[in-house]
Amino acid sequence: NAGVMQNPRHLVRRRGQEARLRCSPMKGHSHVYWYRQLPEEGLKFMVYLQKENIIDESGMPKERFSAEFPKEGPSILRIQQVVRGDSAAYFCASVEGRTYNEQFFGPGTRLTVL
Amino acid sequence: EDKVVQSPLSLVVHEGDTVTLNCSYEVTNFRSLLWYKQEKKAPTFLFMLTSSGIEKKSGRLSSILDKKELFSILNITATQTGDSAVYLCAVERSGGSNYKLTFGKGTLLTVNP
Repeated sequence: NAGVMQNPRHLVRRRGQEARLRCSPMKGHSHVYWYRQLPEEGLKFMVYLQKENIIDESGMPKERFSAEFPKEGPSILRIQQVVRGDSAAYFCASVEGRTYNEQFFGPGTRLTVL
Repeated sequence: EDKVVQSPLSLVVHEGDTVTLNCSYEVTNFRSLLWYKQEKKAPTFLFMLTSSGIEKKSGRLSSILDKKELFSILNITATQTGDSAVYLCAVERSGGSNYKLTFGKGTLLTVNP
């Protein structure tokens, strides 16, 4: 059973470009969380999605950031017009959803904005 | 706002030492406290604690929760260089089916040979 997969692992963007981060949950998991980890900071919750539904986006900046989890395919975190402050590691975690269970984390995408 | 504070922020020990990592929290409607180990990749799950006073153990690692004093400790005995990592503590609040976690900043443990 493959774990949570994220790609790319490293992404470099110039200011003003768009960044797209992908997360494929574990097989059988229909819930995905995105977290951001700034240097020397803990992980901070951004958004929680089920298939085709955003459940909680209270941790996500209102502008430039969006997330989706379509019926088919990976969950995507999209950052438009990136700025240097967006440089961070972005982790997604998946959980089965039907029962209370631990979250399984992917390896993360390290975004660097030049 | 939920809050998780870990101490110390960093710790350097020699192989064979025993270490204790601390995590205190403030959360509304506490459901569980979790410990993760993070090397240079994904945080990997160590323990989930929901009940006070019951020690969870896995090899040389153990953890316990005190819901009255709102803290947890993670113990590692006979440390090895492979234990070097950031140890993250997170709390989860109850409320519907949203299991979002609030993390502390982590404790960076370095085990020297």
